[in-house]
Amino acid sequence: QQQVKQSPQSLIVQKGGISIINCAYENTAFDYFPWYQQFPGKGPALLIAIRPDVSEKKEGRFTISFNKSAKQFSLHIMDSQPGDSATYFCAASPGYGQNFVFGPGTRLSVLP
Amino acid sequence: DGGITQSPKYLFRKEGQNVTLSCEQNLNHDAMYWYRQDPGQGLRLIYYSQIVNDFQKGDIAEGYSVSREKKESFPLTVTSAQKNPTAFYLCASSRGAGNSPLHFGNGTRLTVT
Repeated sequence: QQQVKQSPQSLIVQKGGISIINCAYENTAFDYFPWYQQFPGKGPALLIAIRPDVSEKKEGRFTISFNKSAKQFSLHIMDSQPGDSATYFCAASPGYGQNFVFGPGTRLSVLP
Repeated sequence: DGGITQSPKYLFRKEGQNVTLSCEQNLNHDAMYWYRQDPGQGLRLIYYSQIVNDFQKGDIAEGYSVSREKKESFPLTVTSAQKNPTAFYLCASSRGAGNSPLHFGNGTRLTVT
């Protein structure tokens, strides 16, 4: 129940295309869903996050879509750029004092 | 600039030796965490601390130890009891309140031969 599943494991997209990464969870106590971006040799950095009281959140080219009934959420990267090439992790937390559960990551490659 | 500093960036040790990884934060965050990352895998929680002088085991604490004597510091010791210590180690902090994100350092890559 604590697991967060993430797909695909790797993704190759042409420059200008849309990158879509999907995550699913089981624990209905999760109430905070961040996405992290990690470049090689660096620590993950918070990209965007959502709470289950909204179905979508957009920040620039990055959008989180959230489906509470299906217990799924996804990251959409519009107009993907080579600089977006990184590993993306979804995560979930049940709230205060609780720890994050991370998905296994998606390695995104955006071809020029 | 506020942030998390991990040192050293690369660390090499012989099998059987204990080694301590440093983590310092100046974000005034209450909570600090240690994660392990292996190639192609997600982040696995080793230890975490919500307040000074208190810490809890995470999912893979065996072979590791920590201390939290100061709010800004959370060193991790990889002991000789850790069977497969070669990995990328990430330290993180957060305000500890509900829905506060994790802030990560840039990691220490430990190689044990």
